[in-house]
Amino acid sequence: QVTLRESGPALVKPTQTLTLTCTFSGFSLSTSGMCVTWIRQPPGKALEWLARIDWDDDKYYSTSLKTRLTISKDTSKNQVVLTMTNMDPVDTATYYCARMGIAEAGHYFDYWGQGTLVTVSS
Amino acid sequence: QTVVTQEPSLTVSPGGTVTLTCASSTGAVTNGYYPNWFQQKPGQAPRALIYNTNNKYSWTPARFSGSLLGGKAALTLSGVQPEDEAEYYCLLYYGGAWVFGGGTKLTVV
Repeated sequence: QVTLRESGPALVKPTQTLTLTCTFSGFSLSTSGMCVTWIRQPPGKALEWLARIDWDDDKYYSTSLKTRLTISKDTSKNQVVLTMTNMDPVDTATYYCARMGIAEAGHYFDYWGQGTLVTVSS
Repeated sequence: QTVVTQEPSLTVSPGGTVTLTCASSTGAVTNGYYPNWFQQKPGQAPRALIYNTNNKYSWTPARFSGSLLGGKAALTLSGVQPEDEAEYYCLLYYGGAWVFGGGTKLTVV
């Protein structure tokens, strides 16, 4: 059974750095083709893709946010960490992590966490 | 800045058929964009429906299908059920990075 759970602070101040952890089970990020990705959703708005880390430690970032994002993994702990610097109130959103897979049939995003709401306010 | 465009809203009657589309500002959407589709209901996390244009998950109802249509990715619901009322998002691949569409709010009345 594949599960993912996001954790991190519910409230951060402007200019601070946000650190979120995705703890997963039911798969290994050392398996070829496995990836974990982060997505966010401001209240009442659309989903926004943020970052991805692959089994071979390749990393990819949103073009518009790449200067502020860092993604990393701890395979032994089944965790992926996303940091976002210089937080602003517009970064207030629910942050999701999801499993992504690369297979012959294509790229899939099958399992998602429930999300964690992060509010940026002084 | 790449933009992925979906219809903001659509309305369909129960039992009817509706097609949602997903366009890319870079040109025609092809299989190389690995179109994915997701359903999201209020207060819930998104649920994956379709990957790589037309592949379904084990939990995807048979009434959902994906395709390429007129240079866009498309999601067709045939025999719409009241529980299909939701927001639908497409996701396209741009060489490492991914971009979501703005979402389509589907109303079933």
